[in-house]
Amino acid sequence: DVKVTQSSRYLVKRTGEKVFLECVQDMDHENMFWYRQDPGLGLRLIYFSYDVKMKEKGDIPEGYSVSREKKERFSLILESASTNQTSMYLCASRQTLGNQPQHFGDGTRLSIL
Amino acid sequence: GQQVMQIPQYQHVQEGEDFTTYCNSSTTLSNIQWYKQRPGGHPVFLIQLVKSGEVKKQKRLTFQFGEAKKNSSLHITATQTTDVGTYFCAAYSGAGSYQLTFGKGTKLSVIP
Repeated sequence: DVKVTQSSRYLVKRTGEKVFLECVQDMDHENMFWYRQDPGLGLRLIYFSYDVKMKEKGDIPEGYSVSREKKERFSLILESASTNQTSMYLCASRQTLGNQPQHFGDGTRLSIL
Repeated sequence: GQQVMQIPQYQHVQEGEDFTTYCNSSTTLSNIQWYKQRPGGHPVFLIQLVKSGEVKKQKRLTFQFGEAKKNSSLHITATQTTDVGTYFCAAYSGAGSYQLTFGKGTKLSVIP
């Protein structure tokens, strides 16, 4: 089974802090994704990476950046956290070939105070 | 960009009743995927439909893909409390696309 592991289940940070969310997958998947999930808004794509060192903006990239230095690890960075970034963050991965399903981590519930 | 509309947003049913959620797109979809998210959990892939008019079953769940490949439905027969959760449809914008667009989900509550 694919295992996607997010470093923290819950995280509390302060406004203005630089925040790192880490995600690791163990299935050698080329593609990795970061979403945020908010009530009534569903899952919204922040950034994705189709291979090592490659990244593409999703639908809501403002205020975020990402890093993919190794194939198994995809990091989401909040450069200067703001209260409107309080949310559930979900990482996912998948194989490139075909329209493969995405495999999700358990999520990080981030609160910005 | 591509949009996938999903209705209803919420559904409350008595245990044993049937449940259906619908997904619609204004554009032709190359395929459609369905995911289930249990309360406190993460989305888990259920199934993918690719062919026009395709129907697939998983026990009490029936998935359909429209003839025009612009709509899809998930029907649950005789709901159980284990069916509780949010059901999402999702579609890639085309073959070879990386970005999966999710519907906003239907949250199912089952009253025992």
